[in-house]
Order: sequence, then structure tokens, then C-alpha cells
Amino acid sequence: GQQVMQIPQYQHVQEGEDFTTYCNSSTTLSNIQWYKQRPGGHPVFLIQLVKSGEVKKQKRLTFQFGEAKKNSSLHITATQTTDVGTYFCALNDMRFGAGTRLTVKP
Amino acid sequence: NAGVTQTPKFQVLKTGQSMTLQCAQDMNHNSMYWYRQDPGMGLRLIYYSASEGTTDKGEVPNGYNVSRLNKREFSLRLESAAPSQTSVYFCASSEEPHATYEQYFGPGTRLTVT
Repeated sequence: GQQVMQIPQYQHVQEGEDFTTYCNSSTTLSNIQWYKQRPGGHPVFLIQLVKSGEVKKQKRLTFQFGEAKKNSSLHITATQTTDVGTYFCALNDMRFGAGTRLTVKP
Repeated sequence: NAGVTQTPKFQVLKTGQSMTLQCAQDMNHNSMYWYRQDPGMGLRLIYYSASEGTTDKGEVPNGYNVSRLNKREFSLRLESAAPSQTSVYFCASSEEPHATYEQYFGPGTRLTVT
């Protein structure tokens, strides 16, 4: 079946620094979704990518889907303390990556 | 709208006990899901219901049963709890049974089996 790897597992940054998490699949994907989970909370949908090479932005968040549709990234510019949480990718078979836990030092 | 609700929020069971986790959604969604979340392992799909009257196994179904009681409600039953089932359980729903649809998650049930 599909294998999904999400890296890094943890990332600690100083407020204002950038952050990137990567999601890599062993097979070609039809789409990929990203979710954010605040500490003690539940996952919340952020975005879906469908097209090869697609780039979408939400304020300081930039999402990319690879040309081969096997990988994706989420980049946060100038992190803020409100960005703290775990970011998950979700594949088209409802399989989730293990997540990247982001902590931000004020 | 309450979205997706789950009961209970917390539960402690002894090995061998049984219990049912309840989930309800008020968004008129067709599809509902049960996930478990363990540290460092993300979310793993236990069972899902594509539509009322149907249920299917996910990635980790062993030790669990589900019932889609009606369009709103989807319950998860542990017949004989084991310590390996200690986890946080999330219920989710989506409009349609396809991974192109956004999933809405409930607040979770934190289960400890001793």
C-alpha cells in the first residue's frame, strides 16, 4: 500500500523564523490535504492540493504539490506563536502522515 | 451548529471491559470515520462509513466494531479492551466518501486501558 513519510518529526523555531514540513509518498497521489492540530485539540483542515505543481497561499502559509504528485510541502513564513501545533498531510486513501510538531519560542 | 460531537471526553477502562464511543454530526454529511491517534504515529483509520447503512474496515480495525445508527450517528465499540487500545479516538465526517472532501473532526475521546 501507499507509504507516507513526513519530515521533520519535530521543529523548534524562534518566533519570526521560517518553517517547512515535507510529505513524501511512495506512489502518485490524486490529491493531498493538510491539517493542523493545536495542542490538546483536534485536526482542522487547512487546504487541499490537486494539480501537479500546484502552489496555494494562505497568508503566511504556502502549500506546494510536487510535479510528480508524490510529495508536498507546507512553508510558514515568519512564524508566530499562534502557529504552534502539529501539521499533518493526508493522502487520498485517508492515510495521514505522522505529523510535524512545531514549537515557537517567543 | 455543533459540528461533530463525541462522548465521553475521557474514559478509563480495565483490561477486558467493553465500552462504546459515541459520535454525532449535524452537518448532514454522508460519510463518517473513526481514527485513533498515538504519539508519533499520526492518525490511523479504524473504520469508516461511506454512507448510511455501510461500514468498511480501515487500516487498524482489529479489536473494534462500528455501527452507523443513522445518518447522524456512528459509534465505535471495544468489546474487550486491551492496554494497546489506549489512545485518543477521533470521529470525523465529510460530505462524501472520498478523500477530496474536507474532513471535520470531533474533539476526541481520551481512552486509557489499565
